[in-house]
Amino acid sequence: GDSVTQMEGPVTLSEEAFLTINCTYTATGYPSLFWYVQYPGEGLQLLLKATKADDKGSNKGFEATYRKETTSFHLEKGSVQVSDSAVYFCALSDWETGGFKTIFGAGTRLFVKA
Amino acid sequence: ETGVTQSPTHLIKTRGQQVTLRCSSQSGHNTVSWYQQALGQGPQFIFQYYREEENGRGNFPPRFSGLQFPNYSSELNVNALELDDSALYLCASSFDNTGRETQYFGPGTRLLVL
Repeated sequence: GDSVTQMEGPVTLSEEAFLTINCTYTATGYPSLFWYVQYPGEGLQLLLKATKADDKGSNKGFEATYRKETTSFHLEKGSVQVSDSAVYFCALSDWETGGFKTIFGAGTRLFVKA
Repeated sequence: ETGVTQSPTHLIKTRGQQVTLRCSSQSGHNTVSWYQQALGQGPQFIFQYYREEENGRGNFPPRFSGLQFPNYSSELNVNALELDDSALYLCASSFDNTGRETQYFGPGTRLLVL
């Protein structure tokens, strides 16, 4: 069945550092891929998404490219801020035999120090 | 535009009891998904409803059941509660069931089973 694997955290960076959070997936169909973020004390919200191969999602300076050949959707940001401290979840949505599913990774906690 | 709301916010039950959790979808959304999130983990997909029909289910036993109503609000019912059912239960609504649309999450119901 489908699965999502993302790098374990926590990840600790200094302000203005470059961020990469790795995410790889397995899927039987043609999934849509998402990054969701959970800021401290808040609910899950969409950060960005890509619905087909080679699409790039972007938002708030974050980017991720849907790479079908490497089954990856790595999250990147060129210069992180303290306000980016949060838990980041990679997810896919796909139709499998038996119906629809959304699969989330375990989450990666990011701490950004001033 | 009203966001996704859930009730109650917190709940304490004892093992063997039954519980019903409620969710109101965002206006204009006809699809709702339910998730179980254990502490420090990513959300686990329970099922999805589209126009009052279940159209996808994760690896949860039949004692987890749901309903979606004509106004697209929904319920999650859990029978014969077990200690491991203690978790945050999230519902998320979306514009359609293609899997390409953003899911908008509610704040969750935290269930404790004693």
